[in-house]
Amino acid sequence: QVQLQESGPGLVKPSETLSLTCTVSGGSISSYYWSWIRQPPGKGLEWIGYIYYSGSTNYNPSLKSRVTISVDTSKNQFSLKLSSVTAADTAVYYCAREFRAVAGTVHWYFDLWGRGTLVTVSS
Amino acid sequence: EIVMTQSPATLSVSPGERATLSCRASQSVSSNLAWYQQKPGQAPRLLIYGASTRATGIPARFSGSGSGTEFTLTISSLQSEDFAVYYCQQYNNWPPRTFGQGTKVEIK
Repeated sequence: QVQLQESGPGLVKPSETLSLTCTVSGGSISSYYWSWIRQPPGKGLEWIGYIYYSGSTNYNPSLKSRVTISVDTSKNQFSLKLSSVTAADTAVYYCAREFRAVAGTVHWYFDLWGRGTLVTVSS
Repeated sequence: EIVMTQSPATLSVSPGERATLSCRASQSVSSNLAWYQQKPGQAPRLLIYGASTRATGIPARFSGSGSGTEFTLTISSLQSEDFAVYYCQQYNNWPPRTFGQGTKVEIK
């Protein structure tokens, strides 16, 4: 079955750029939307943005100026870059597949998730 | 941005009892709402989308209802594996997709 796995540094210094990659295994990255979602310790979920396999993106306006999501279909991977990080960006970062279902209306939901990776911003 | 508000923050329920969780949107999201379950140390799991459609493999004891601004997730008879945090999420007006702050269902 399709699995997602996040990878990247667990510690990032303030003002630097957080970089994470999500590897999709057991299936193709094509024809789906792929999202990044984060969860500060003990808090709720925040959607960061998505990328379609073709490369089109959509970002959370609150993070848009600092976020870049990219895709590498040859490697079945997509990536997150978050610049100028502060302690407020400390969180578990999840990659997820966002499924677009058309059934009378269009439904979007996160049906597959990675296990998440904790990124701590600290000097 | 649509704000999702869940209540209560914590719900204490005995196994076998019914649990009713509420989610309110700051403006109408039609039926474009999903529910997720998250257990400690795990990623969220999709339960419901379209306000009332169960995702594949989700037991029938989970049901969702509502439209517009008021939504409910009901667990008809709580099992031990159902004690977790539950999040609602709207996908009607985006970006951004927005989640509620969560309701923790704990053992009474």
